[in-house]
Amino acid sequence: KNEVEQSPQNLTAQEGEFITINCSYSVGISALHWLQQHPGGGIVSLFMLSSGKKKHGRLIATINIQEKHSSLHITASHPRDSAVYICAVRSYGGSQGNLIFGKGTKLSVKP
Amino acid sequence: GAGVSQSPSNKVTEKGKDVELRCDPISGHTALYWYRQSLGQGLEFLIYFQGNSAPDKSGLPSDRFSAERTGGSVSTLTIQRTQQEDSAVYLCASSLEGLMNTEAFFGQGTRLTVV
Repeated sequence: KNEVEQSPQNLTAQEGEFITINCSYSVGISALHWLQQHPGGGIVSLFMLSSGKKKHGRLIATINIQEKHSSLHITASHPRDSAVYICAVRSYGGSQGNLIFGKGTKLSVKP
Repeated sequence: GAGVSQSPSNKVTEKGKDVELRCDPISGHTALYWYRQSLGQGLEFLIYFQGNSAPDKSGLPSDRFSAERTGGSVSTLTIQRTQQEDSAVYLCASSLEGLMNTEAFFGQGTRLTVV
């Protein structure tokens, strides 16, 4: 079993829909990251969380440390949101860069 | 520079040859990370630099892999005697401090193909 599990693996949505991507992890963590990888391969860091909730534009990330679960929400989705969304965690005792990655959720937003 | 720069963007090499991959982090970023993304696989951690030191190199898959960082800036990942299983996209990232406190900025990656 992977230490970081994402669901769904693939998601197709219509423009304007509210989207939720889930991330569950089995290790104690000190931080969780959400990353976005575009079809060209470039990766952008969206959020870094250790507790609570963060919002940036149409994106919202939440984390529940007790339940070892995080969600990434996209409101009013748009075709340009189409990308792979990756959850990554830094485990307790792990070094600053030693992230454990989920396999990603491929999102396709249709116009 | 404005972002993390990696070179080359693509590299095709023959099995058994050595390759060097370069990463120019964002100016002033003290932390630098190398990751690898193999076809159909998720990202995996290779090595982390703080300044010129590598506090964690636990992700390097074998002794054929090495990395260095000089002047607290540019880093080079070297793969000796390349094998076909080394084929992957190698990603570099940098951050102002460690990933506990600041977010990482990623380069576009180097796509390595070993034939």
